[in-house]
Parts: sequence; C-alpha cells; structure tokens
Amino acid sequence: LAKTTQPISMDSYEGQEVNITCSHNNIATNDYITWYQQFPSQGPRFIIQGYKTKVTNEVASLFIPADRKSSTLSLPRVSLSDTAVYYCLVGDMGNTGFQKLVFGTGTRLLVSP
Amino acid sequence: DTGVSQNPRHKITKRGQNVTFRCDPISEHNRLYWYRQTLGQGPEFLTYFQNEAQLEKSRLLSDRFSAERPKGSFSTLEIQRTEQGDSAMYLCASSLEFGGTNYGYTFGSGTRLTVV
Repeated sequence: LAKTTQPISMDSYEGQEVNITCSHNNIATNDYITWYQQFPSQGPRFIIQGYKTKVTNEVASLFIPADRKSSTLSLPRVSLSDTAVYYCLVGDMGNTGFQKLVFGTGTRLLVSP
Repeated sequence: DTGVSQNPRHKITKRGQNVTFRCDPISEHNRLYWYRQTLGQGPEFLTYFQNEAQLEKSRLLSDRFSAERPKGSFSTLEIQRTEQGDSAMYLCASSLEFGGTNYGYTFGSGTRLTVV
C-alpha cells in the first residue's frame, strides 16, 4: 500500500476555503485516493474518493493531477463544525486483496471564529 | 439500520482483568473489521472477518486478543489480562464485499478502553 504524507495540522477561519494536500509518490495504477474525516470520540467517516482529475460531492472536492502523485482535498467555506482530523488513504479499492484501510496520522484542522 | 453499533462506549478496567467489546455491523454487510487507535495516531488495523471467517490478523493482535464473529453477524473482541498499553479506542467497521469491491465502508463510534 502506498505511503501518504500530509501536513500535521492546519488552521483556518470560518467561511474560508481550506485545501489539504496529500503526497503519495508511490501510488500504483489500480490505487484510488480516499479521504476520511474524524471527530473526537467518533470513528472515521468517508468524505470523498477519486482516481483522477476532479471529484466533487456535497461535502468536498478532490483534485488529482495527471501524475496522481498528490491530491488535494478542498473544503469550501468551512465552519466550526469542520474542525476534525482528515486522513488521506491510498489503495486498490477494487481488489479483494485490499482488505484493510491504512491510516497515517492525518491532518488536524482547526477552524476558528 | 442505524449504522455500526459498538458497546460499551467506555470501559475502565484494572490491569490484569479481561474485557469484551461488542460490535453490531450494518446488517447487510458481510465484512467486519477491528481497528485500534491511540491518542494522536490514526486507526491501526487489527483483524477482519468475511462472514464468520477470520481472514487476516495483524501482528498487533497478540495472543491475549481474540475476536469472534459467530454466524457472521455481530462480533466480539476480547482482551485477556489487560495491560496499561491496551488503553486505546477500539473501532469496528463493516463493509459489503461484492464482485471484488468493498462498498459502504462504515465505522462505529468505538469503545474507549482505559486500563488502570
């Protein structure tokens, strides 16, 4: 499974756009990029997943350049409730051999008023 | 269906005691996973089940740990002779494996274990 690197922490203010970048230089051809969000005392929650270019849902956007060696999670107009830890994961979601998710230490986002 | 349910939410135990946690997955999910998370770290994989079969165990799962999933429904994780290093959040997740793809990977809220 490809190793990921992301900033340990980020600070923002309400209403701003937040971009969290993840590096995954050893991403494999079959690997997808998945982001999870975790609040204190809760389990991680799926945010978004993509393979290439751009994916958007009601919560976030995911930008993946052509070489796929990095990805950027974009949270538009954050609120205080977006304060959480965000994890970037890389793996082959279509392969039955990919049985488990491998988490790094994540990025702690703090949104202030 | 209210998602993945874990009980208890919190458990405080004395060192050397045995503890058991329960996980009720989403009903149609055939895969169930256990993870452990310590403060400031991401979740670490412990083990997973496909229906009632335990298919993979991490080296983190010492012989004091045992997990079961009778009848492929709920699962239990037991820790025998607890140690202070076992203090952590124990997370359960479930998913539906179909046609070689995992769908709906969902975590529970975890059981926080404190060993004193």
